[in-house]
Amino acid sequence: EDQVTQSPEALRLQEGESSSLNCSYTVSGLRGLFWYRQDPGKGPEFLFTLYSAGEEKEKERLKATLTKKESFLHITAPKPEDSATYLCAVQSGATNKLIFGTGTLLAVQP
Amino acid sequence: NAGVTQTPKFQVLKTGQSMTLQCAQDMNHNSMYWYRQDPGMGLRLIYYSASEGTTDKGEVPNGYNVSRLNKREFSLRLESAAPSQTSVYFCASRGQIYTGELFFGEGSRLTVL
Repeated sequence: EDQVTQSPEALRLQEGESSSLNCSYTVSGLRGLFWYRQDPGKGPEFLFTLYSAGEEKEKERLKATLTKKESFLHITAPKPEDSATYLCAVQSGATNKLIFGTGTLLAVQP
Repeated sequence: NAGVTQTPKFQVLKTGQSMTLQCAQDMNHNSMYWYRQDPGMGLRLIYYSASEGTTDKGEVPNGYNVSRLNKREFSLRLESAAPSQTSVYFCASRGQIYTGELFFGEGSRLTVL
């Protein structure tokens, strides 16, 4: 069964304290793995797409990596404005389903 | 460029009332989607439209109907609202149905009393 699990559910960091968010997945034929950022009261905003194991993408303080079983979203020297919920989703090439994880709520304190 | 626009942003209904959520996108995307988001659960697909003139059920279609009015617009209708339909609803669009990123609207918060 296709499944996406994100951990931790919530993470509190001090400004400048680097960390990583995890997205573990089981999917029939990965067609793409997506990371989104969601601010309170807003819709998810696209961050990255990863297609194959070993691929990496970067944007400002964020770096996404992909293996055959999981993806990490690394946050380097976070700032309070990085506080948000980060969602992971995988597209199955076999079923064509897009499955979302439940997200990690990140709070960065000044 | 507005992207994906949803209306209304907030709505309170009584059980049994009906309403329609409107969605429009200006990115010339073929595929459009309706999701609901509930605490502790991932985004769940209600209905989608791969292209103008087609609609299909998603994971949680019961109690909902949709209309793909034209390439830009995709509406979601609750015929007889139930408290279990209290949720935040997101419309999204995508260039092609199974590839590329989704672009989301800002959401419609619905409360059914």
